[in-house]
Amino acid sequence: SQQGEEDPQALSIQEGENATMNCSYKTSINNLQWYRQNSGRGLVHLILIRSNEREKHSGRLRVTLDTSKKSSSLLITASRAADTASYFCATELTGGGNKLTFGTGTQLKVEL
Amino acid sequence: KAGVTQTPRYLIKTRGQQVTLSCSPISGHRSVSWYQQTPGQGLQFLFEYFSETQRNKGNFPGRFSGRQFSNSRSEMNVSTLELGDSALYLCASSPVEATDTQYFGPGTRLTVL
Repeated sequence: SQQGEEDPQALSIQEGENATMNCSYKTSINNLQWYRQNSGRGLVHLILIRSNEREKHSGRLRVTLDTSKKSSSLLITASRAADTASYFCATELTGGGNKLTFGTGTQLKVEL
Repeated sequence: KAGVTQTPRYLIKTRGQQVTLSCSPISGHRSVSWYQQTPGQGLQFLFEYFSETQRNKGNFPGRFSGRQFSNSRSEMNVSTLELGDSALYLCASSPVEATDTQYFGPGTRLTVL
């Protein structure tokens, strides 16, 4: 079963706007990772945030983690058409080794 | 460094056949994990190999198996293929231990007819 649920399932915005995706999970984690996938291709790693971190930035990406609420959010600022893709959160559970449990994904469409 | 490579990229098989997929991790990475992605079930963990030993296993039937070689390259095998095995199979590698970033390959698209 999926560890993470993502919200919204689909998001459509205009180029230049910000996009926010949310991820909730159920159990204790070592870290949470965000990935992007274009049209059924491989997953591209975006950012990893550890359980003792609250916020992380990478370029136009900002990720927050609230372990008390078991939730994370991914913010993409100043979105571009090239950001159109599916975005997945993945959790590495405490004691779970390298096993990632993925969320259901958010399909983002950025229109010109 | 070259990324994770997977071969073949596309494969068509018929029910009852078996298939072997290959994954070459990033140079220096010792952990290789396999995932299955389907529209209905999403991304699901199959198994992880580290130093030629299976370290983690997902909830898949015994028809799904894998191995890792001394150069960290990994193969997964699916025997007695079923229609429901049609999926994108993704391989990921990471440097050593847990809490490392996992890097994914482009995947092998398997279609079972």
